Amino acid sequence: EAGVAQSPRYKIIEKRQSVAFWCNPISGHATLYWYQQILGQGPKLLIQFQNNGVVDDSQLPKDRFSAERLKGVDSTLKIQPAKLEDSAVYLCASSLRTGVGDTEAFFGQGTRLTVV
Amino acid sequence: GDSVTQMEGPVTLSEEAFLTINCTYTATGYPSLFWYVQYPGEGLQLLLKATKADDKGSNKGFEATYRKETTSFHLEKGSVQVSDSAVYFCALTNSNSGYALNFGKGTSLLVTP
Repeated sequence: EAGVAQSPRYKIIEKRQSVAFWCNPISGHATLYWYQQILGQGPKLLIQFQNNGVVDDSQLPKDRFSAERLKGVDSTLKIQPAKLEDSAVYLCASSLRTGVGDTEAFFGQGTRLTVV
Repeated sequence: GDSVTQMEGPVTLSEEAFLTINCTYTATGYPSLFWYVQYPGEGLQLLLKATKADDKGSNKGFEATYRKETTSFHLEKGSVQVSDSAVYFCALTNSNSGYALNFGKGTSLLVTP
């Protein structure tokens, strides 16, 4: 089966510009996650969707970050305006079931964002 | 809140050496525990998991046992190979956070011939 697809793979922007990332999860996966991974750290959850509803966005900096999952499939994550500290790899993941602790999450290869 | 602590890397081992990567956690209730691996140039992938105390997860020669008394989930392998060079992440899921993965900082492993 096809894995989690993300684009673009790399993006370089200047601070105060905007940027958007796209994610297509594995077909049939109800749950979609966006993580931010800063160099040398583990991934940090930004937002979790179940179908097209938000389960948890408590760590999303809502003054500059936004995310949507239209029709419960694809998702976009936007940053506007970007700051230098937003430089990171943005990972999208999906899982089949929700409300179950041992469900495996499948990750895309990520988008590496550099803000200069 | 819940958290995961891993040993600092990088860890450098010779091929066929024994590997241990320490992982401890802080969590309420009954979390599930995971090890994910990130090979160079690839995405994160599940290596093994355990869902309750005393469970042992295993895969590709790697093992980890869920120890509730010591809140630990150490990763071990008896004989590492060059192809095991990667970054290893310990993580947990819990009902109080919608079962999203909560990761440690990762431990980089380099295996030399």
